[in-house]
Amino acid sequence: QVQLQESGPGLVKPSETLSLTCAVSGYSISSGFYWGWIRQPPGKGLEWIGSLYHGGSTYYSPSLKSRVTISEDTSKNQFSLRLRSVTAADTAIYYCARHRGQWLHFDYWGQGTLVTVSS
Amino acid sequence: QSVLTQPPSASGTPGQRVTISCSGSSSNIATNTVNWYQQLPGTAPKLLIYDNDQRPSGVPDRFSGSRSGTSASLAISGLQSEDEADYYCAAWDENLNGWLFGGGTKLTVL
Repeated sequence: QVQLQESGPGLVKPSETLSLTCAVSGYSISSGFYWGWIRQPPGKGLEWIGSLYHGGSTYYSPSLKSRVTISEDTSKNQFSLRLRSVTAADTAIYYCARHRGQWLHFDYWGQGTLVTVSS
Repeated sequence: QSVLTQPPSASGTPGQRVTISCSGSSSNIATNTVNWYQQLPGTAPKLLIYDNDQRPSGVPDRFSGSRSGTSASLAISGLQSEDEADYYCAAWDENLNGWLFGGGTKLTVL
């Protein structure tokens, strides 16, 4: 059974960098598939942030591309999100998820972690 | 235009059939498959329909999906109280070179 678990600070100050990690169990991220981040502001809809394919290939939402980096750590079987220069608008529940291809569905999701941007 | 449009709300009584629409464009729904996600209150989204009309293992056959041109639909028959949730459509967009999610539809079971 594939499981994903997000972790990281729940509070980040404005202008600082948001850093989250997604630990994967039940599947090796180096075996294939894509690994992505999606966020959901409180009471609002889902927004794709970006995805990674093993080996370093990444692609990002055009609206966030200038501030986002997604990377992998195969030794720990996890991947990470860094979002720079955050503002209150970045307050959201952040989900990590697996998708079976660049254009294919997200089949496994983490439970999500709330990150609040506030001083 | 790279956006997926869903009605903000839908409702039905137990046993009824309800449909939720998702309107897109030639750069997303018309050229790429549509997926639907169900989000129960306080939980993470769950894959409900993939590749327009395929159900993952464990999803009841009361849920069905379809696509025609630049639009897609999710149908729920034999509505049950536990179906009360938010539903999102999603598709890859060629112009954005990224994923689009619809704004979500809140389904209420009366």
